[in-house]
Amino acid sequence: GESVGLHLPTLSVQEGDNSIINCAYSNSASDYFIWYKQESGKGPQFIIDIRSNMDKRQGQRVTVLLNKTVKHLSLQIAATQPGDSAVYFCAETVEGAQKLVFGQGTRLTINP
Amino acid sequence: DVKVTQSSRYLVKRTGEKVFLECVQDMDHENMFWYRQDPGLGLRLIYFSYDVKMKEKGDIPEGYSVSREKKERFSLILESASTNQTSMYLCASELGREGNQPQHFGDGTRLSIL
Repeated sequence: GESVGLHLPTLSVQEGDNSIINCAYSNSASDYFIWYKQESGKGPQFIIDIRSNMDKRQGQRVTVLLNKTVKHLSLQIAATQPGDSAVYFCAETVEGAQKLVFGQGTRLTINP
Repeated sequence: DVKVTQSSRYLVKRTGEKVFLECVQDMDHENMFWYRQDPGLGLRLIYFSYDVKMKEKGDIPEGYSVSREKKERFSLILESASTNQTSMYLCASELGREGNQPQHFGDGTRLSIL
């Protein structure tokens, strides 16, 4: 399949386990954060977002945690399934900036 | 659901050719973006537009231009294609009216310049 990045950090998990993907963001002024999933041969797909006035936000099988003190963002995927195999990357921006800053991504692989 | 459609999934062109990449969104979004994605370099912003006939340079605009004659369509133009423009090109759109919203991406055009 197509690779979206060389030497991406890789996380391997067993099917059914929970996955935690981490992201360290760069700008302490950033106040809006997004997680994307990119499968091989496809464009990035929006998963979940969070604003800086929140510490946690939950979606369907996914939870995003934001720690502004250490500029850290994480994506938790519950009960990981084969269809979760993809590259995941975070993006950050400042209100009104109109530009996102993307992380390099983490490749999640699921072991049967 | 937001639908961002890029006209070609794969494209092969020759050095020196003028290349047009087309992108259409169907959600009446104000903002549209063009990125390229390369191994090890991630997503890099080429140009964006926040209104019809408006454009702003991104981080790597050299060798590219854009056109936004209609709200739903944002075109990327390689004036004279070069081999270093071989890449995956991704278009995105964003609502843009109030506060930050997520960008929604098309499935990309893989462009090869020979």
